[in-house]
Amino acid sequence: ETGVTQTPRHLVMGMTNKKSLKCEQHLGHNAMYWYKQSAKKPLELMFVYNFKEQTENNSVPSRFSPECPNSSHLFLHLHTLQPEDSALYLCASSNRDRRTEAFFGQGTRLTVV
Amino acid sequence: AQSVTQPDIHITVSEGASLELRCNYSYGATPYLFWYVQSPGQGLQLLLKYFSGDTLVQGIKGFEAEFKRSQSSFNLRKPSVHWSDAAEYFCAVLMDTGNQFYFGTGTSLTVIP
Repeated sequence: ETGVTQTPRHLVMGMTNKKSLKCEQHLGHNAMYWYKQSAKKPLELMFVYNFKEQTENNSVPSRFSPECPNSSHLFLHLHTLQPEDSALYLCASSNRDRRTEAFFGQGTRLTVV
Repeated sequence: AQSVTQPDIHITVSEGASLELRCNYSYGATPYLFWYVQSPGQGLQLLLKYFSGDTLVQGIKGFEAEFKRSQSSFNLRKPSVHWSDAAEYFCAVLMDTGNQFYFGTGTSLTVIP
């Protein structure tokens, strides 16, 4: 248990569906991240939020839409995904001020059919 | 640009043998350094970290790592590997400014009886 909880753990969705991934942390952190991990590829940073403000968007397609309503919650809204979007999506959090390590959730295994 | 290199994609060792996983980084100043481990389908778990001070750091599960500034390296070691150590290992750096973590491509460890 790392203090970062992701739901759901597994998700299968069609290309025309809309779904959301949820991430929650109760570590008092002020930075949250979405990473994509595909088979045989390095971890890809998708989005970074500091104090609920998005500070990084690494050329992620618009079919991925993040939302950070407060410093404890982070969402990734998905719509009209492609099969190549199938991957493990990892959420992480850290304390930007105290320069802590990133704490990761267990991930959501997404399959797009 | 900052980068993290893990030159070994895959390593196989016998149970009880020693292990060293290599990590090199490219960054002008001394970054914060981390090693994470990931079991299949799971999130990343922190093994150890280096911020400053003693260049030999101890982590969980009997792992240690040594920071060598002259070589820009942070290699992970374990004197005697257990079958349960089979997993993917990631080296990561955090700059002293900003809060973006840079990850290596990972080293997959197989442990044979």
